Amino acid sequence: DSGVTQTPKHLITATGQRVTLRCSPRSGDLSVYWYQQSLDQGLQFLIQYYNGEERAKGNILERFSAQQFPDLHSELNLSSLELGDSALYFCASSVLGLPTLENNNEQFFGPGTRLTVL
Amino acid sequence: AQSVTQLDSQVPVFEEAPVELRCNYSSSVSVYLFWYVQYPNQGLQLLLKYLSGSTLVKGINGFEAEFNKSQTSFHLRKPSVHISDTAEYFCAVSDDGGSQGNLIFGKGTKLSVKP
Repeated sequence: DSGVTQTPKHLITATGQRVTLRCSPRSGDLSVYWYQQSLDQGLQFLIQYYNGEERAKGNILERFSAQQFPDLHSELNLSSLELGDSALYFCASSVLGLPTLENNNEQFFGPGTRLTVL
Repeated sequence: AQSVTQLDSQVPVFEEAPVELRCNYSSSVSVYLFWYVQYPNQGLQLLLKYLSGSTLVKGINGFEAEFNKSQTSFHLRKPSVHISDTAEYFCAVSDDGGSQGNLIFGKGTKLSVKP
């Protein structure tokens, strides 16, 4: 158990709909990262938040957005869903969001949310 | 731009045999390298990482990897595998230690250990 929790575990919805995925980081971790794992694209970084602020952006579609709340949990919002959005969405957390070799800034991954768009 | 190539999508081996999972990267800057393991229906777990120092890195569960800058490789090895090592393994690269989400993953290698 990594200490990162994600809800729900599974989500089935229809095209055009909007869903919200939730992530609670490990206690004490300030950074939250979102990843998408799909069969054709593999594992891709979407976005990172650090202490409530967006820190880095990857291959995140404009239909997707995220935020990190004062209690440090994060939500990933996916709207106007398409069949191709079906994937496993992982959240990870780490202590810091700053580049430094002195810190063991390992990212701890949650179990993921499996999204199926029908 | 950075990229990671895992040369084998599937590697079947017998229990107690040695295994090597290959990873090559491309980058124009200094990189940091990681191996993650994903067991069925679970999230990713860090096996080992190379940030600096000794090029031979030891990780959990008896795995080790060697950073070879001239060959831009970071192959994962284990001298004797167990059934419980059956999982998917991902190599990843970052130019900032992974602290800003810039983990670029390979496509993964599925290791299947047979009795």
